Amino acid sequence: EDKVVQSPLSLVVHEGDTVTLNCSYEVTNFRSLLWYKQEKKAPTFLFMLTSSGIEKKSGRLSSILDKKELFSILNITATQTGDSAVYLCAVEPYYGQNFVFGPGTRLSVLP
Amino acid sequence: DADVTQTPRNRITKTGKRIMLECSQTKGHDRMYWYRQDPGLGLRLIYYSFDVKDINKGEISDGYSVSRQAQAKFSLSLESAIPNQTALYFCATSEAVQGGEYFGPGTRLTVL
Repeated sequence: EDKVVQSPLSLVVHEGDTVTLNCSYEVTNFRSLLWYKQEKKAPTFLFMLTSSGIEKKSGRLSSILDKKELFSILNITATQTGDSAVYLCAVEPYYGQNFVFGPGTRLSVLP
Repeated sequence: DADVTQTPRNRITKTGKRIMLECSQTKGHDRMYWYRQDPGLGLRLIYYSFDVKDINKGEISDGYSVSRQAQAKFSLSLESAIPNQTALYFCATSEAVQGGEYFGPGTRLTVL
């Protein structure tokens, strides 16, 4: 059974801290891994990763994939209160199959 | 205007009632999905459709049915609602090549 695990499930930090969110997966086949940010509404797409070792960056957020060890990390540097959200990791096992979502990491950034 | 819309946004109903949740998209995507979200369980797939003639069961399809009326419309029905179907329901679309899903705003359903 395809599975996506995220850790930690919950994290509280102060503004300015750097955080690393983890996502590991077990899937029969692998096409892509995706990160989403969910605030009090629908998830919004952050990154899609398909190749190992290539870092994707968007402002203070960055992510990298390790297909050998079957995990990805999402880094947020210089956190702000607006980064408070649930961060979801999802894997697309194979082209045309569906995304498998992890339970999410709830990040709270305190002022 | 939002790319993916859902109606209603909130609904309270009683056990045994039939409920329909509707989803429309203007992104021109062929693929559409219905998910439910429960605390601590992430997003779980109910049904998905890769085109108008293609409907597939997801992880938790029991108690639900869907209809893909057109490329832009994908409806989810609860034939006889039960309390454990109380959840936040999301519709999503995706474009096969570029990846990533675009989510609707969600429908909060409460079954009493």
